[in-house]
Amino acid sequence: NAGVTQTPKFQVLKTGQSMTLQCAQDMNHEYMSWYRQDPGMGLRLIHYSVGAGITDQGEVPNGYNVSRSTTEDFPLRLLSAAPSQTSVYFCASSYSPWDPTHSPLHFGNGTRLTVT
Amino acid sequence: AQRVTQPEKLLSVFKGAPVELKCNYSYSGSPELFWYVQYSRQRLQLLLRHISRESIKGFTADLNKGETSFHLKKPFAQEEDSAMYYCALTPGETSGSRLTFGEGTQLTVNP
Repeated sequence: NAGVTQTPKFQVLKTGQSMTLQCAQDMNHEYMSWYRQDPGMGLRLIHYSVGAGITDQGEVPNGYNVSRSTTEDFPLRLLSAAPSQTSVYFCASSYSPWDPTHSPLHFGNGTRLTVT
Repeated sequence: AQRVTQPEKLLSVFKGAPVELKCNYSYSGSPELFWYVQYSRQRLQLLLRHISRESIKGFTADLNKGETSFHLKKPFAQEEDSAMYYCALTPGETSGSRLTFGEGTQLTVNP
């Protein structure tokens, strides 16, 4: 199993550009989520999904869209990039959306995004 | 809303010394707490969970509901323990896997 795969690893955007960060998992996990990691602020939840066709907002959803058309994929779209979205983005998944103790999060390697 | 605070951004100890990474939380109910770790060039991964009362790689963490703390401890630090450590919380069944993370503590164990 590849686990959680994120692409690209690095990306530089100009203000106003749009792009999609890809996340795929091959573990048949129901739960998928996106976090951003900023110095001194830890990881903050952007969006999450408890199954195909179901998505919801996390703590910092503004400026981002998601969709979950399949169990495996959970892309994160930046609609109009802003310098404040410069961050490291992590995708994480787990088998069960409701049992974090026995179904821990599995993280991808991250995407480092710079918006100039 | 729940919150997790890790007061130390950086922590440096010598090999063989005890280490304690602090984690405080604010939540009025009975949360589930975790420690996640990210070693250099590796993925963020679960280290331990409070409900299991486990010891992983010599680390333990006790949930103190009175002080709302979940400090991570190891009696004798090793160089391979150098990593970024995150404390995380979920309120429980209704929030499930939606973890709230702290700011993280970068631990450096010097030889």
